[in-house]
Parts: sequence; C-alpha cells; structure tokens
Amino acid sequence: ETGVTQTPRHLVMGMTNKKSLKCEQHLGHNAMYWYKQSAKKPLELMFVYNFKEQTENNSVPSRFSPECPNSSHLFLHLHTLQPEDSALYLCASSRQTGMNTEAFFGQGTRLTVV
Amino acid sequence: KNEVEQSPQNLTAQEGEFITINCSYSVGISALHWLQQHPGGGIVSLFMLSSGKKKHGRLIATINIQEKHSSLHITASHPRDSAVYICAVSKDSNYQLIWGAGTKLIIKP
Repeated sequence: ETGVTQTPRHLVMGMTNKKSLKCEQHLGHNAMYWYKQSAKKPLELMFVYNFKEQTENNSVPSRFSPECPNSSHLFLHLHTLQPEDSALYLCASSRQTGMNTEAFFGQGTRLTVV
Repeated sequence: KNEVEQSPQNLTAQEGEFITINCSYSVGISALHWLQQHPGGGIVSLFMLSSGKKKHGRLIATINIQEKHSSLHITASHPRDSAVYICAVSKDSNYQLIWGAGTKLIIKP
C-alpha cells in the first residue's frame, strides 16, 4: 500500500466512449503525475501537476485530458481513444517536483481500447 | 540508444541465488532510483541514491558515479522477489525521471 489509489483497476472502452481515470492520494503531496506504460517500453511521463497547476505536458494527444481539482485528486479524461492507447496508466505523487524527490505510485489502470 | 540501459532484460534463477541487475546511464544525474513492479502493475520505490551503497533487508543498491553505473543485488532470492525491476534517473538539469525498460526477474522455487 503506497498511499496512492487508482480507480478503476481495469477498463475496457470502445473508441467512441468517454471515460475517466481517477487517482487519489492523502499523503500531503503537492505534485501528481500521469504515466503511460506500454508493453516492453519504459514508462512515459504524460502530465505533471504541481500545486494543482499543470507544469508539464509531454506532447500528449488531446484525446487525453487531465484535471487536477485539488492536490489530492487527479483525473485523466479519455475520449475517442485508439487501440494503440491500450496500456497501463500509472499515477504517482511526490512531496514536490524537486530533483531528488521520491515518488509514490498507484497500482495503475489497465486500459484496453477496442 | 536509450539514456538508461538495463541488463539483463530477463533473468530466471533458482530460489536462494544471488541476483544482480545492472543499470547504465549516459547523462548527468542528481539521483538514481530503483523500483519494483509486481505483475498487478503497482510500482514501489526501493531505493533512491546518489552515491555509494544502500541496503534494505535482502536488497542492496550500489552506484558508481564516475562509471555511470548502478547495480541492484538481491541476496537469498525468493519466489516472492519475482517482479520487474526498473532503474530510473533524475537528470541534473530537471526533475523528470528517465526510465529504463526494466528487468523481468523470475525466481523459481
């Protein structure tokens, strides 16, 4: 148990569906992250939020839309996804976005786009 | 070429064996992280180090800054150690982590 909770754990959606992934932490952390992990590839950083403000968007397609209503919650809204978007989506949080800050990860949401 | 390379990609060993996983990087770093990912997907941070050696239970992590190399060792390996072990580095220019592709470890009873 890392203190970072992601829901749902598994999600199957059609290409025309709209769904949202949720991440929650009550560790008092100020930074939250979305990562994508595709099979046999390193983790890819998608978005970074620091004190509810988005500070990084690593050229992520607009069909992925993040939302951070407060420092404890992070959402990833999904719409008109493609089959190649099927992956494990991991949320992480850290006390701050400093260089030597340890990140805590959620269990991930296994997304399948059909 | 990836900035963080791990070897081996896959490792199968018998219970009780001493395990070594290697990580080499080609950029200036402020810290190196070792993480463990179990089949369910969740990732747990094992170590964060910028010099020398750290030990936690049966796990030992070492780093050689001059050689840009780190190793993760597992002593008296156990089937529950089976997981993917990931090396990641914090570049000294910003906080973003650069991830290795992971080493899949299977420990057979």
